[in-house]
Amino acid sequence: DAGVIQSPRHEVTEMGQEVTLRCKPISGHDYLFWYRQTMMRGLELLIYFNNNVPIDDSGMPEDRFSAKMPNASFSTLKIQPSEPRDSAVYFCASSLGLAGSIHEQFFGPGTRLTVL
Amino acid sequence: TQLLEQSPQFLSIQEGENLTVYCNSSSVFSSLQWYRQEPGEGPVLLVTVVTGGEVKKLKRLTFQFGDARKDSSLHITAAQPGDTGLYLCAGVMEYGNKLVFGAGTILRVKS
Repeated sequence: DAGVIQSPRHEVTEMGQEVTLRCKPISGHDYLFWYRQTMMRGLELLIYFNNNVPIDDSGMPEDRFSAKMPNASFSTLKIQPSEPRDSAVYFCASSLGLAGSIHEQFFGPGTRLTVL
Repeated sequence: TQLLEQSPQFLSIQEGENLTVYCNSSSVFSSLQWYRQEPGEGPVLLVTVVTGGEVKKLKRLTFQFGDARKDSSLHITAAQPGDTGLYLCAGVMEYGNKLVFGAGTILRVKS
């Protein structure tokens, strides 16, 4: 398997623009997670899906952020409008089960977002 | 304030030295994981510890889960330049299923 695939790897945009990050999880994994990593706040969970259904979005910073999973092999994280403070590395991860089941999360290579 | 406090934040050592990284909390975790992350990549799981007092060894790496399941440590023996990276601990709260990550320890091993 190719692992978790994320695109683009790098995104530079201007404040106010819409940004869409994409993720393809490992085939057969039921859970998909979106994380954000910054120097100040470390790795933060934004939202996770189970069988394409959003389960917990309590980590989503505000209404400018939205995530969808239209099918088992694709998810998007959208920021509209983007702001400079959204600059971070965004990771997608997938797993067979929840952390409580001690299932390993497999992370993608991340998308480095810079909002000017 | 981080739920999981990692120390030190940064460590620079010579090849062959030993080191220990700590992960502490006032909360109890049902399990704890250690990840290693290299620049430009996502974190990769090294180990999961579940039982209080559990010790796991992975070649030169030794992981320990505290008896009260509130803390953990990672000890590396005879560090090598290939050990360089960001080490993250992540805990599963006793009542919950999400992973909570520490801020990480940046390790640099010089040859």
